[in-house]
Amino acid sequence: DIQMTQSPSSLSAFVGDRVTITCRASQYIGSYLNWYQQKPGRAPNLLIFSTSTLYTGVPSRFTGSGSGTDFTLTINSLQLEDFATYYCQQSYSTPLTFGGGTEVE
Amino acid sequence: EVQLVETGGGLVQPGGSLRLSCVASGFTFSGFWMTWVRQAPGKGLEWVANIKKDGSEKYYLDSVKGRFAISRDNAKNSLYLQMNSLRVDDTAVYYCARSVEGAFDSWGQGTLVTVSS
Repeated sequence: DIQMTQSPSSLSAFVGDRVTITCRASQYIGSYLNWYQQKPGRAPNLLIFSTSTLYTGVPSRFTGSGSGTDFTLTINSLQLEDFATYYCQQSYSTPLTFGGGTEVE
Repeated sequence: EVQLVETGGGLVQPGGSLRLSCVASGFTFSGFWMTWVRQAPGKGLEWVANIKKDGSEKYYLDSVKGRFAISRDNAKNSLYLQMNSLRVDDTAVYYCARSVEGAFDSWGQGTLVTVSS
């Protein structure tokens, strides 16, 4: 199974900050990496798929990059509505696996 | 508008069974892979199972193989998860999600399954 490791597990930030979350796969996954945002008590929402493609309706302050085993989610100019938990997920092979999450507080 | 609505969760004793349902609307259900993802209380997301558009291929998390069965009825726009031999560590909110090339682009609101004596 492919293990997904996110760091940090939590971070503190202010509105307007630039935030970077990293995700590392235990083996090669090409560009098969997706990012989700989840707020308390709500279902996750897809932000970015295939490493860097923004999903419909997602603000352009969210960007994704990377390939192979190392990936990054960047939030430029953090907004109040961005305080949430973020998960990466590999779609290279089953079992499809998620990172442990990064809480942005 | 894409909608996914899960039902069937509840409290069950260890060793018991439950059947979750997910009714889809707003898109051509038969054109998409579908997935179940769960989230234990206070924990992260865990993929459980997925099923091909026509139901001909199914994949499972190792820890649920032989106990859970995913199925679908395209005529009813419905996805199912039959859960048998439930264990305490199966306690979670179960989400159904639409899958597009392995990414989950639409999610239901989730249904809580609690396994406890």
